[in-house]
Amino acid sequence: EDQVTQSPEALRLQEGESSSLNCSYTVSGLRGLFWYRQDPGKGPEFLFTLYSAGEEKEKERLKATLTKKESFLHITAPKPEDSATYLCAVPRYNQGGKLIFGQGTELSVKP
Amino acid sequence: DTGVSQDPRHKITKRGQNVTFRCDPISEHNRLYWYRQTLGQGPEFLTYFQNEAQLEKSRLLSDRFSAERPKGSFSTLEIQRTEQGDSAMYLCASSPGGGSNSPLHFGNGTRLTVT
Repeated sequence: EDQVTQSPEALRLQEGESSSLNCSYTVSGLRGLFWYRQDPGKGPEFLFTLYSAGEEKEKERLKATLTKKESFLHITAPKPEDSATYLCAVPRYNQGGKLIFGQGTELSVKP
Repeated sequence: DTGVSQDPRHKITKRGQNVTFRCDPISEHNRLYWYRQTLGQGPEFLTYFQNEAQLEKSRLLSDRFSAERPKGSFSTLEIQRTEQGDSAMYLCASSPGGGSNSPLHFGNGTRLTVT
């Protein structure tokens, strides 16, 4: 069965302390992997799409990478404003925009 | 910025009542999706439309749930005879279509509380 698992569930960092979030997936015929950021009480905000193993995307302090089994979201020198829940999702094979989401990693960055 | 708009943002209702939510997608996006999210979980797919046609419904969508997208523009999601287990954030998203690689753009959701 198609599945997406994120770890850790929660991560507390000090400002400037770099770390990585993990997204492991099992899906038939990967057609992209999406990363979203979600602030409390808001909808998910699109960050990146990765299409193939070895691909990397960057945005400010965030860098997303993809292998055949997992994706990492690296956060370099985080700031308190990076605090949010980070979600990854993959499309179910040949089923349009039906995304399978992980449960998210809640990131807290303290000054 | 004309993003995805949802109304209302919050809804408190008593068990057994009917509720209806509205979603206005990004203009010219022909795909529209409804997801449900409970605390500490990622969003779960409910249903989606390509223009006005409802193409898929999740098993999560019981007979008490109905969604429409008349004229392929805005969409409504109605829940009849609400139950406490329906309490969740209901998220709407849209995409331009063109395959499963198009990212979904989400609204800020309607938070439903059933008392």
